Amino acid sequence: DAKTTQPPSMDCAEGRAANLPCNHSTISGNEYVYWYRQIHSQGPQYIIHGLKNNETNEMASLIITEDRKSSTLILPHATLRDTAVYYCIVMKTSYDKVIFGPGTSLSVIP
Amino acid sequence: SAVISQKPSRDICQRGTSLTIQCQVDSQVTMMFWYRQQPGQSLTLIATANQGSEATYESGFVIDKFPISRPNLTFSTLTVSNMSPEDSSIYLCSVDSGQINTEAFFGQGTRLTVV
Repeated sequence: DAKTTQPPSMDCAEGRAANLPCNHSTISGNEYVYWYRQIHSQGPQYIIHGLKNNETNEMASLIITEDRKSSTLILPHATLRDTAVYYCIVMKTSYDKVIFGPGTSLSVIP
Repeated sequence: SAVISQKPSRDICQRGTSLTIQCQVDSQVTMMFWYRQQPGQSLTLIATANQGSEATYESGFVIDKFPISRPNLTFSTLTVSNMSPEDSSIYLCSVDSGQINTEAFFGQGTRLTVV
């Protein structure tokens, strides 16, 4: 069963913020929200993860709703190199196997 | 972090033959994972490879078709046996970080074309 739901595709203008939503209404209390992305012809790349607090790193910000049933990945200033498929995944720890859904194909447009 | 090297990066193989893909990690890791990515699709987990034990296969994947070895904590191989054109995919190796609450790392993949 799919644990997350993401829109299949999104567009974003270069230089603008890209906000990628994810629904995970069945998330359990000990499951983290992880985001990975896959740029064409490359292996997936880790972006960020969180449990219940909002998180920020050099790549992105992760906003998790208070009820933890949804989250948003924010790329603050999207560039053409951010064009990729973005995967939202819920898992207990890094020891869990990573199960990928279809993800969101983000196109950053000049 | 972990740096993963996969070999070969790509290959074109005749149907009915087998190909062994190697995955080398620059540090010792507990668990290694093998994925398949068919054209235009997301990644599908094939199996989990633990050192010193048999690999654990996901539904739809069997050991006879995808035998896996894990001789030590830094190396694993995946063999795609008796290949058919339907096996044309990218095969990726992944490792866990070995620490709680951290991320997984992925190799760049092996692009396999079966003709």
